[in-house]
Amino acid sequence: QITLKESGPPLVKPTQTLTLTCTFSGFSLSARGVGVGWIRQPPGKALEWLALIYWDDDKRYSPSLKSRLTITKDTSKNQVVLTMTNMDPVDTATYYCAHPYDTSGFYDYWGQGALVTVSS
Amino acid sequence: DIVMTQSPATLSVSPGERATLSCRASQSVSSGLAWYQQKPGQAPRLLIYAATTRATGIPARFSGSGSGTEFTLTISSLQSEDFAVYYCQQYNDWPLFTFGPGTKVDIK
Repeated sequence: QITLKESGPPLVKPTQTLTLTCTFSGFSLSARGVGVGWIRQPPGKALEWLALIYWDDDKRYSPSLKSRLTITKDTSKNQVVLTMTNMDPVDTATYYCAHPYDTSGFYDYWGQGALVTVSS
Repeated sequence: DIVMTQSPATLSVSPGERATLSCRASQSVSSGLAWYQQKPGQAPRLLIYAATTRATGIPARFSGSGSGTEFTLTISSLQSEDFAVYYCQQYNDWPLFTFGPGTKVDIK
């Protein structure tokens, strides 16, 4: 059974760096073809894909946010970490980590989401 | 980037009726199209991938069709648990995945 869970601060100040951790179970990020992605959703708005990391440490980012994002993995801890620099109130959103169906790009398992509010 | 649009923004349907949701891509995505259902306070749930394939455990009343730039999600007979927001996502333009703005299906 695949499960994912996001953790991180619910509140960050403008200009600060956000660090979110995805802790997962039911699969191994060292197995060929396996990845973990991050998607966010501002309140009442649509989903936005952010980043993706694969078993071989291949990393992909949304072009519009690439300069602010870093995704890393710790296979031994079954965790993936997303950092986003220079946070702004427009970055207020629920951040989801999710398991992609092999290398295709759609997501078959999602975490419950973590709401992050950016405010001074 | 490929831009996804969805119509209508809101669809009001009575229980038991058919619902037809549309998704359009700004350029061809072949069959690289997924549909998700999202209920308030919940994460999205995968319904359909490869434009027409139902995900594991998805009831047969959900069906997807289309290819290229025009796609449709059909719910043949709406149940009370189907009232939600539905998103399409293209994944053909790897890894520049993009989602549509969503269609809200509410009770008429």
